[in-house]
Amino acid sequence: EDKVVQSPLSLVVHEGDTVTLNCSYEVTNFRSLLWYKQEKKAPTFLFMLTSSGIEKKSGRLSSILDKKELFSILNITATQTGDSAIYLCAVVDFGNEKLTFGTGTRLTIIP
Amino acid sequence: DVKVTQSSRYLVKRTGEKVFLECVQDMDHENMFWYRQDPGLGLRLIYFSYDVKMKEKGDIPEGYSVSREKKERFSLILESASTNQTSMYLCASSLSMTGGEQYFGPGTRLTVT
Repeated sequence: EDKVVQSPLSLVVHEGDTVTLNCSYEVTNFRSLLWYKQEKKAPTFLFMLTSSGIEKKSGRLSSILDKKELFSILNITATQTGDSAIYLCAVVDFGNEKLTFGTGTRLTIIP
Repeated sequence: DVKVTQSSRYLVKRTGEKVFLECVQDMDHENMFWYRQDPGLGLRLIYFSYDVKMKEKGDIPEGYSVSREKKERFSLILESASTNQTSMYLCASSLSMTGGEQYFGPGTRLTVT
């Protein structure tokens, strides 16, 4: 059974800080790892990672995958109050289209 | 832009009622999914469908059923609602063979009293 563990469960930082969110996984036949941001409603897609060591970047957010050690990190630099959200990590197994989600990291940015 | 819509944002039902949650996507996606989201438990997959009239059980199918009569529409049915089915329900869709990215609807917050 596929498994995703995110840490920390919650994090409170001041505006301007840099944060690193962690995601470790166990999957039978890895296909991809995805990061989502969830504010008050639907999760919105951030990144899809399939190859080790290649950083994906979007503005102040970046993510990288380590397929040997089975983890990914999501970095947010110069945090803003609008970054406050739950960040979800999920993995996809080859052979099906299902996402297995972690429980998420709740990030709170204090002005 | 992919659009996934759900029939209600908030719903209040009584124990024992039959409840229908509707989801529609407009991008001709083959795959559709129903999740529930609870604090501390994350998103858990209830049912999914790879094609019209096909359905597969997810991780927590008990107490639920689904229907997919048309490609764009996927319905979740609570045959006899119970208080432990109070939750946020999220629908999602995806295109096959693209790496798994799913597009989510806004969610339905269901309260069963």
